[in-house]
Amino acid sequence: QKEVEQNSGPLSVPEGAIASLNCTYSDRGSQSFFWYRQYSGKSPELIMFIYSNGDKEDGRFTAQLNKASQYVSLLIRDSQPSDSATYLCAVRSYNTDKLIFGTGTRLQVFP
Amino acid sequence: DAGVIQSPRHEVTEMGQEVTLRCKPISGHNSLFWYRQTMMRGLELLIYFNNNVPIDDSGMPEDRFSAKMPNASFSTLKIQPSEPRDSAVYFCASSNRGQEKLFFGSGTQLSVL
Repeated sequence: QKEVEQNSGPLSVPEGAIASLNCTYSDRGSQSFFWYRQYSGKSPELIMFIYSNGDKEDGRFTAQLNKASQYVSLLIRDSQPSDSATYLCAVRSYNTDKLIFGTGTRLQVFP
Repeated sequence: DAGVIQSPRHEVTEMGQEVTLRCKPISGHNSLFWYRQTMMRGLELLIYFNNNVPIDDSGMPEDRFSAKMPNASFSTLKIQPSEPRDSAVYFCASSNRGQEKLFFGSGTQLSVL
């Protein structure tokens, strides 16, 4: 079992819709959870991080964490074609700097 | 700040040759990470350093790979001898301990023929 699992997609949504990206992790000691966005041919960039169970909102983005289910998700409201990219889920365990990434979900937002 | 600087951007080499990838982290950052990205395996952590000291190299594929950080402003990842299966994009990233954000370089696209 991979440490961080994501559906590779592509996930296709129409412009203006809500895109829902999901991630599961295997290490129950995980403490910090991250979402990175990577455009084709570019390097990953941080969108959001979350530590506590529940929701965290930042503009059109909402990260959701459920530690009991070992599940983290990213919602993108009012999706735009410019949101088309690969979204990488990453997890860090307690007392380490080691950041483990999933393989990413490719999102396509069509006009 | 110029960000994390990697060189070269592209490297094409023949199987068996030595390859050296270079990274200059953001000034003042004390953690440095080397990742490898392929379609099949995604973004894999190879090794990371804190204060120039290697902390975890469990992701280094085999003895052909080695990494050094002789000072706070420079790191290298060396593959000797290179093999076609090493073809990937290699990213360097840096951060400050306690900060959440990893800053990635532009990556080195390595092709081993």
